[in-house]
Amino acid sequence: DVKVTQSSRYLVKRTGEKVFLECVQDMDHENMFWYRQDPGLGLRLIYFSYDVKMKEKGDIPEGYSVSREKKERFSLILESASTNQTSMYLCASRAEDRHTYEQYFGPGTRLTVT
Amino acid sequence: KQEVTQIPAALSVPEGENLVLNCSFTDSAIYNLQWFRQDPGKGLTSLLLIQSSQREQTSGRLNASLDKSSGRSTLYIAASQPGDSATYLCAVRPQGAQKLVFGQGTRLTINP
Repeated sequence: DVKVTQSSRYLVKRTGEKVFLECVQDMDHENMFWYRQDPGLGLRLIYFSYDVKMKEKGDIPEGYSVSREKKERFSLILESASTNQTSMYLCASRAEDRHTYEQYFGPGTRLTVT
Repeated sequence: KQEVTQIPAALSVPEGENLVLNCSFTDSAIYNLQWFRQDPGKGLTSLLLIQSSQREQTSGRLNASLDKSSGRSTLYIAASQPGDSATYLCAVRPQGAQKLVFGQGTRLTINP
């Protein structure tokens, strides 16, 4: 079974702090994704990565950056956390870009910025 | 721009009933459609993936259909159980895109 893990289930940070969210997958997938989920807005893509050190912006990249130094690990960085970044963050992975493959999600990190 | 709609937003049915959840999308140029389940405060669990060339997929009590030309998919749940209570999300992968485009979900409650 594919396993996608996220470093924290719940996180509380203060405004202005630098925040790191970590995601690890164990199936050697090339593609990894960060989404955020908000009531009434659904899931929105922040960034994705298709290879080590490669990344592309999603729909809402402002205020975020990412890092992928190893194939299995994809980090989301909030350079200076703000209250409007309070959300559920979901990491996902998918095998090489063949159109037939499923996307698998981690358990999520509920981030609260106060 | 691809948009995905799920109606109704919430559904409550007694245990044992068969039920259908609906998903519609505006652009038929997709690679595939995926149904997910989400329990409160948790991540998404993949239920079924239907390729654009397929009409349906089955897994246990679940059956998902796809009519790409009309932009519709249904998720059929047979003999519903209280453990099926969750939010069900559908998502399409547009052609040429890496991301999934999600609907808002249907919150399903199965009453014992």
